[in-house]
Amino acid sequence: GAVVSQHPSWVICKSGTSVKIECRSLDFQATTMFWYRQFPKQSLMLMATSNEGSKATYEQGVEKDKFLINHASLTLSTLTVTSAHPEDSSFYICSARDPGLPQETQYFGPGTRLLVL
Amino acid sequence: QQPVQSPQAVILREGEDAVINCSSSKALYSVHWYRQKHGEAPVFLMILLKGGEQKGHDKISASFNEKKQQSSLYLTASQLSYSGTYFCGTTGPPGAGSYQLTFGKGTKLSVIP
Repeated sequence: GAVVSQHPSWVICKSGTSVKIECRSLDFQATTMFWYRQFPKQSLMLMATSNEGSKATYEQGVEKDKFLINHASLTLSTLTVTSAHPEDSSFYICSARDPGLPQETQYFGPGTRLLVL
Repeated sequence: QQPVQSPQAVILREGEDAVINCSSSKALYSVHWYRQKHGEAPVFLMILLKGGEQKGHDKISASFNEKKQQSSLYLTASQLSYSGTYFCGTTGPPGAGSYQLTFGKGTKLSVIP
C-alpha cells in the first residue's frame, strides 16, 4: 500500500506553546489529506480536510484558529496546534487519499502522540 | 452519521473464526475496513464499493450487502497477529465531502493461544 509518514512520532510540550506536525505522502501525490484525533479507547474523529492549494475544511466544533492546517504541496500537509493546553493531549493521525486508487482509499500515517504538560 | 459496529469486543482462541458487522440506517457509497493495534495508526485492510461485493485477502474477507447498508468482516482461522481494534469507515455519495470517512466505534478483537 501507499506510504504516509508523520513527524514527529511523539512530542511533549509545555502549556501555551505551539506544536507543528508534518504529514507526508512518500510515493504518491495527495491532493487531499485528512487530520484525525483519537483519544484513548475511542474512535478516530475527523478534525479537518486539507486540500492542496486551498483552505482546509474544518469539522464542527474544531477551532480553525487553534488547529492551523497548511497543505502547501501535493506531498505535505502540516497541522499546528497553537497555544496547546493539556486537553489537547491526544493521538493525532493524518491520512492521505491516493488519487490513483479506488476513489476513497485512504492511507494513514503512523500518528503523532502529543502530551501537553 | 456514524456507522454502528458489533460486537464491541470479542475474544477468540487461535484458529477460531469471527465476524464483525458494520451497519448504517442509510445507503452507503463505500465501506473501508481498518485494523489498529495499540499505540499504532490504523492499517488499511480493504474497501468495498459495490452492493453485493465480496473480497478478501489471505484469511480476511469482507462483504457489502445489496442494499449497501451493511458490511461484514470475516476473519477465519484467526492468528495471534489478528488482535487489535477493527474499524469500519464509511462515506456518503459522490459530492462535497464525499472522501471523508466516518468511523464506527470499533470492535476490539483479542486472539489468545
